[in-house]
Amino acid sequence: QVQLQESGPGLVKPSETLSLTCTVSGDSISTSYWSWIRRPPGKGLEWIGYIYYTGSTNYNPSLKSRVTISVDTSKNQFSLNLRSVTAADTAVYYCARGGAYLDVWGKGITVTVSS
Amino acid sequence: EIVLTQSPGTLSLSPGERATLSCRASQTVSSSYLVWYQQKPGQAPRLLIYGASSRATGIPDRFSGSGSGTDFTLTIDRLEPEDFAVYYCQQYGSLPYTFGQGTNLEIK
Repeated sequence: QVQLQESGPGLVKPSETLSLTCTVSGDSISTSYWSWIRRPPGKGLEWIGYIYYTGSTNYNPSLKSRVTISVDTSKNQFSLNLRSVTAADTAVYYCARGGAYLDVWGKGITVTVSS
Repeated sequence: EIVLTQSPGTLSLSPGERATLSCRASQTVSSSYLVWYQQKPGQAPRLLIYGASSRATGIPDRFSGSGSGTDFTLTIDRLEPEDFAVYYCQQYGSLPYTFGQGTNLEIK
């Protein structure tokens, strides 16, 4: 059974970098695309971007200047870095398997941006 | 980018009834690359339908998807208590991929 688990700090200060990791179990990260999605409070889901195990990426243009998604095949993990965060980046962040549609999701991690 | 508008925002029905959820796109979704997800409070979204009408693995046949172009529908026949949740559509026909704002299916 494939499982994804997000991890990282739940509180980030404004202007700092939000860093999250997704650990994949039950599947090799070298078989698929992997994505990050977020849901700000009171709003709908927003696609952040995806990565292939080779390192090829695609990002939402609205976040592209601040986002980096990377993969560590040795640890079966992929990561999200979001720079220069503001309160608008407060959200539940999800990792998921897939680059187009997403067939397995993590449970999500709440990240609050506040001083 | 393609904007997806879901309606209604909230749908109140009773178990055993049929639910019809709509997802309208601001532009044609190429190749019917549209999916539906179900999300319950505190849980991860669950893939229900991909390619507009193909059920994902393990999804009961009371869930069905239809539509093409700019208009898509998720139909849930004979609502079960566990079906009451929020439903999202998402298009993956053109980047950036986008989601609808969700329909909250609640028990009447």
